[in-house]
Amino acid sequence: GAVVSQHPSWVICKSGTSVKIECRSLDFQATTMFWYRQFPKQSLMLMATSNEGSKATYEQGVEKDKFLINHASLTLSTLTVTSAHPEDSSFYICSARWSNRYEQYFGPGTRLTVT
Amino acid sequence: TQLLEQSPQFLSIQEGENLTVYCNSSSVFSSLQWYRQEPGEGPVLLVTVVTGGEVKKLKRLTFQFGDARKDSSLHITAAQPGDTGLYLCAGERGDDYKLSFGAGTTVTVRA
Repeated sequence: GAVVSQHPSWVICKSGTSVKIECRSLDFQATTMFWYRQFPKQSLMLMATSNEGSKATYEQGVEKDKFLINHASLTLSTLTVTSAHPEDSSFYICSARWSNRYEQYFGPGTRLTVT
Repeated sequence: TQLLEQSPQFLSIQEGENLTVYCNSSSVFSSLQWYRQEPGEGPVLLVTVVTGGEVKKLKRLTFQFGDARKDSSLHITAAQPGDTGLYLCAGERGDDYKLSFGAGTTVTVRA
């Protein structure tokens, strides 16, 4: 149980274009989803918290107009990187949790490369 | 400055040896989780500890949560090459369920 999927697993896009990443909880209803970014050889950095049906909460220093998050249902959250630039290249990982549980379950990650 | 300090940063041992990874903070956590991450994949949850002084065992892995809920350790007995990976501790402080991650410990077990 507690499976989280991400799509796509990797994507290459040109500078200036937008990319959408999907995060789905496959066997549970996720009351909260989180989006993280991870640079090579580094730990995970929380970008934003997403609750179903409400606006995402962004961490300090994360541009909400650049990283658009939508959590339209209890099983799906999307992260759209708008007007991507090479410095946005990174490994993006989502996680999900359900009500009254401490654990977060992570997706397999999406490798974004902006050329 | 990271909220959770993990040590050591790197650990390379021979198969069959034991190892311990530490996770320390000056903050109190309501829960602490340990994950293992393989290159190019998402972290996989190993354990969650919530009670001060709690000890949990998962086969050859033993996890401890400090009495004051500020620190934790992961001990692996008789390490195997399959234990190789990045071990991450992550703590939750409030009721927003956000996790603060340590910098990670890269463990390499040589056959």
